[in-house]
Amino acid sequence: DAGVTQSPTHLIKTRGQHVTLRCSPISGHKSVSWYQQVLGQGPQFIFQYYEKEERGRGNFPDRFSARQFPNYSSELNVNALLLGDSALYLCASSLAWRGSSYEQYFGPGTRLTVT
Amino acid sequence: DQQVKQNSPSLSVQEGRISILNCDYTNSMFDYFLWYKKYPAEGPTFLISISSIKDKNEDGRFTVFLNKSAKHLSLHIVPSQPGDSAVYFCAASGDPGNNRKLIWGLGTSLAVNP
Repeated sequence: DAGVTQSPTHLIKTRGQHVTLRCSPISGHKSVSWYQQVLGQGPQFIFQYYEKEERGRGNFPDRFSARQFPNYSSELNVNALLLGDSALYLCASSLAWRGSSYEQYFGPGTRLTVT
Repeated sequence: DQQVKQNSPSLSVQEGRISILNCDYTNSMFDYFLWYKKYPAEGPTFLISISSIKDKNEDGRFTVFLNKSAKHLSLHIVPSQPGDSAVYFCAASGDPGNNRKLIWGLGTSLAVNP
């Protein structure tokens, strides 16, 4: 069984550029969440999507946006990159967005470096 | 303000002994708690969870204890194995708006020595 997959695994961008990160959830999972993890910190919640609708948003600027597609895969977009956006971006999938089936399963992450 | 706190950045135990990882939280609205393990260059792996209606949940070598009055939970690993060496994150959910986003601690790095 394929787990959560993310692409690319590593990415180097320059300040001011735009980046798109992709995530495919576990088969049957309808909810996808995005997290940012900087070194030495726990993951910080960015977005949650369920059935193509945004269900939650963390404290991130409008430069961050996301969407979920009919096949439940998701994209995270970051515009006007800043040095501080350098981090590991994690995608997690779960069966539902609330209730008992809330355990989230994480992908390997995309390591973004902004220079 | 850190709503989920893991006050020990690191822990070292001998193989075969018990590892106890602690987590404190401040938000009384949290009603679901999870522990994740993370190896370098990998995403977090779900370990075990507990609902606020319980005070203990056990799965193999892993047991999570919840003390709601103290807003404290702990993860016990018995017996500890070298392969358990990783960073362990405590996470909580239960936002009043029913947004089930996870709030994470900073993690505790566990080293199990052979």
